[in-house]
Amino acid sequence: DTEVTQTPKHLVMGMTNKKSLKCEQHMGHRAMYWYKQKAKKPPELMFVYSYEKLSINESVPSRFSPECPNSSLLNLHLHALQPEDSALYLCASSNRLGWFFGPGTRLTVL
Amino acid sequence: QKEVEQDPGPLSVPEGAIVSLNCTYSNSAFQYFMWYRQYSRKGPELLMYTYSSGNKEDGRFTAQVDKSSKYISLFIRDSQPSDSATYLCAMSDNYGQNFVFGPGTRLSVLP
Repeated sequence: DTEVTQTPKHLVMGMTNKKSLKCEQHMGHRAMYWYKQKAKKPPELMFVYSYEKLSINESVPSRFSPECPNSSLLNLHLHALQPEDSALYLCASSNRLGWFFGPGTRLTVL
Repeated sequence: QKEVEQDPGPLSVPEGAIVSLNCTYSNSAFQYFMWYRQYSRKGPELLMYTYSSGNKEDGRFTAQVDKSSKYISLFIRDSQPSDSATYLCAMSDNYGQNFVFGPGTRLSVLP
C-alpha cells in the first residue's frame, strides 16, 4: 500500500468557519507533511512532522493549526481563513523510497 | 539564483516522440532526486526516485542524474497523450531534510 488518502476532496468555507483537513497513511512512514499549492506553482511546504512531533513550521499563519494524533494520521485545522488561502492542500509522507503525496483537498474560502 | 531551476514550458510534442525534461540545481548536498507527474487538480505522483548519480529505467521512463554537473533529466519514450501533465523535479539533501521542488514543466502530447 503506497497510498496517502485525504479528506475531504473539496471544501468551501466562509472566513468565520472552522474546518479540518484529514490525511492518513498506512505505510509506516514517520515523516508527514502539509503543503499548499496555488495554480501553476509547485507545492510549498507548510509543516513537517517527524515521529509525531512538529519539526518544521515554515512561518505559516496561526490560522492554520496542524495536529498529528498518531503515526498514521495528520490533521490541519483551519480557522478564520482569508480568500487568498484558497488553494490545493496536499499531504505527504516519506521514507527512503521517496515522498508520497495524497490527492489533495481543494479549498475555497469565500 | 533559485535553488532548483526547470524549463517551465509549455512543451508540446507529437504522440510517439521522445521527451526530455531537465532540471539544474545549485546545492551540492542534494543526494535524492525525484520526478513527479501532476495532472490538473490532482496530487503529484512519484514517477522516479534515484539516489546519487546514475541512470534508472522504469518502462518508458528513464531518469538520469549527473551530480558533477548538478543536472538531472527525465526521458519519456513513445510519449502518449495520457502523459500530458506537469512534471516536477524534486530533490533532498538527506532523509527528510531540505526537500525542494522545481517549478514544473507543462507537457502536452498531441495525438
